[in-house]
Amino acid sequence: AQRVTQPEKLLSVFKGAPVELKCNYSYSGSPELFWYVQYSRQRLQLLLRHISRESIKGFTADLNKGETSFHLKKPFAQEEDSAMYYCALASYGKLTFGQGTILTVHP
Amino acid sequence: DAGVIQSPRHEVTEMGQEVTLRCKPISGHDYLFWYRQTMMRGLELLIYFNNNVPIDDSGMPEDRFSAKMPNASFSTLKIQPSEPRDSAVYFCASSLAILARRFNEQFFGPGTRLTVL
Repeated sequence: AQRVTQPEKLLSVFKGAPVELKCNYSYSGSPELFWYVQYSRQRLQLLLRHISRESIKGFTADLNKGETSFHLKKPFAQEEDSAMYYCALASYGKLTFGQGTILTVHP
Repeated sequence: DAGVIQSPRHEVTEMGQEVTLRCKPISGHDYLFWYRQTMMRGLELLIYFNNNVPIDDSGMPEDRFSAKMPNASFSTLKIQPSEPRDSAVYFCASSLAILARRFNEQFFGPGTRLTVL
């Protein structure tokens, strides 16, 4: 069965510091992975997907099949990045989400 | 388009009462999903529909939970009888059909915060 693990429930950094939100997955097939974000008082929304290989709001995520990871990174965190982040794996027509990481960026 | 619409936004009820949550997906979307969000378990998929037909309800916690989609523009999630442990935020999401084996983006509603006393 597929599984997504986000080991950090809470992550705090200072503005301008690098940030990495960890995500590991377990899946027997070829994975399709996403990062979703939920800012305060806003809806959960797609941040990026691995097949797009794009950078959104300065964030990037590289799929590492050897380590079964899809960590989300940003070299210089901003206060507006504070939010709940979910990693998700697509399979059999549905998404399996991790437990989420609350990122707080301090001024 | 107003996006996915959910009602009510907040619901407070007493244990044993019936609760009905409502969702209107984005027009033209083929898939509808119901999720539950708690601090302990994160975001869990309860059930999803494709073209109004339930496809996978393995995430529905127990028989007290039921979901329907009578037409393409409306779905309900019902809890009867409700219990305090059902307190959570319930999200509805919709997406277009899967094409070329590529999973389409899910668009989420604002959620319903349910409190069962």
